[in-house]
Amino acid sequence: DAKTTQPTSMDCAEGRAANLPCNHSTISGNEYVYWYRQIHSQGPQYIIHGLKNNETNEMASLIITEDRKSSTLILPHATLRDTAVYYCIVRGNSGYALNFGKGTSLLVTP
Amino acid sequence: NAGVTQTPKFRVLKTGQSMTLLCAQDMNHEYMYWYRQDPGMGLRLIHYSVGEGTTAKGEVPDGYNVSRLKKQNFLLGLESAAPSQTSVYFCASSLPGTRGYTFGSGTRLTVV
Repeated sequence: DAKTTQPTSMDCAEGRAANLPCNHSTISGNEYVYWYRQIHSQGPQYIIHGLKNNETNEMASLIITEDRKSSTLILPHATLRDTAVYYCIVRGNSGYALNFGKGTSLLVTP
Repeated sequence: NAGVTQTPKFRVLKTGQSMTLLCAQDMNHEYMYWYRQDPGMGLRLIHYSVGEGTTAKGEVPDGYNVSRLKKQNFLLGLESAAPSQTSVYFCASSLPGTRGYTFGSGTRLTVV
């Protein structure tokens, strides 16, 4: 599976959009981009995933660049409860393990 | 719908003792996984199962055994606990293909 690079930490004001970037320049054609988050001491939570088209669900939007070498997770109106570590993961549909890496620690401030 | 349930939530073991961690899911998922999380290390896959009666090794399988006798349950065993196995253990389940994983709330294990 391709390796990902994320910033170590980010801040966001409550009510504003949080844009979390992820670089995955070695992604191959059949690999998906997944986003999970982990709120302190809890199990990771699936947020969204995509192959090449932009995706949106009730939690977030995922924007994937046309060359698929990077993506951005967007939380449109961040709340204090969105404070968590966010993991960008690239995985093919035949693999089993999720390589979580270090993720981005997002702090939402009042 | 409980999702993925892990028991126990906390446990303290003495070196050399054995124990079994239980993971149960009620979503009829085919695949189940055991991960461990250590500070600064992220989550690492211990063992996984793609169906009842089948198991496979992950990234860090040494010192652990698993069993999947029923589709809804995935057991993680420590035969002789070591301090290096002090960690938070997460179980997860998923459907085949590109679906997201559902994780349990974790088991905090301390080996003294």
